[in-house]
Amino acid sequence: DGGITQSPKYLFRKEGQNVTLSCEQNLNHDAMYWYRQDPGQGLRLIYYSQIVNDFQKGDIAEGYSVSREKKESFPLTVTSAQKNPTAFYLCASSIRGTENYGYTFGSGTRLTVV
Amino acid sequence: DAKTTQPPSMDCAEGRAANLPCNHSTISGNEYVYWYRQIHSQGPQYIIHGLKNNETNEMASLIITEDRKSSTLILPHATLRDTAVYYCIVRVGDRDDKIIFGKGTRLHILP
Repeated sequence: DGGITQSPKYLFRKEGQNVTLSCEQNLNHDAMYWYRQDPGQGLRLIYYSQIVNDFQKGDIAEGYSVSREKKESFPLTVTSAQKNPTAFYLCASSIRGTENYGYTFGSGTRLTVV
Repeated sequence: DAKTTQPPSMDCAEGRAANLPCNHSTISGNEYVYWYRQIHSQGPQYIIHGLKNNETNEMASLIITEDRKSSTLILPHATLRDTAVYYCIVRVGDRDDKIIFGKGTRLHILP
């Protein structure tokens, strides 16, 4: 079945360490996105990529980095510069240039800094 | 910032229709209205979208006012599994596909 896979589902990190969250899709979607969600809050956009080897900052990009070397993959690195990284991270993908498709979301990664 | 306004929470009795309102008074002529829902600790799920006309699918109906400044998502026979946060979103545009989420409406289905 086609879809988006995020791994791991739960992740624990020591303060000061970098950590990379995986996002893979087999939907042949052009665009991919990373959102962050804090308890009781909506989703905030971190980074997005509309084509391979290109990406743009969202509203809260500081302390995060991404790469888009393959169409299927859009990993997110949470660096030690991110001051409050504990959150629920969601990856999504979509087809560009048409209104007929919404976003498909992964099941999320819950990151906890200990 | 999100271009939509939704009530923070709503209650609905099980088996009744749930009507979730959304205001989008600054919507542009080529922008669509999308609805998603998020069940606790899961990724948001697409429900329905529309431009001008009312839309219906197996999950819900979408009613858009004639001036397009507001819309209502209707879940015709709400069940306990419909308990979730519902997001109303206006699509930014073809050149920039990013979606800006607001805080949504937390729908509680009462048994």
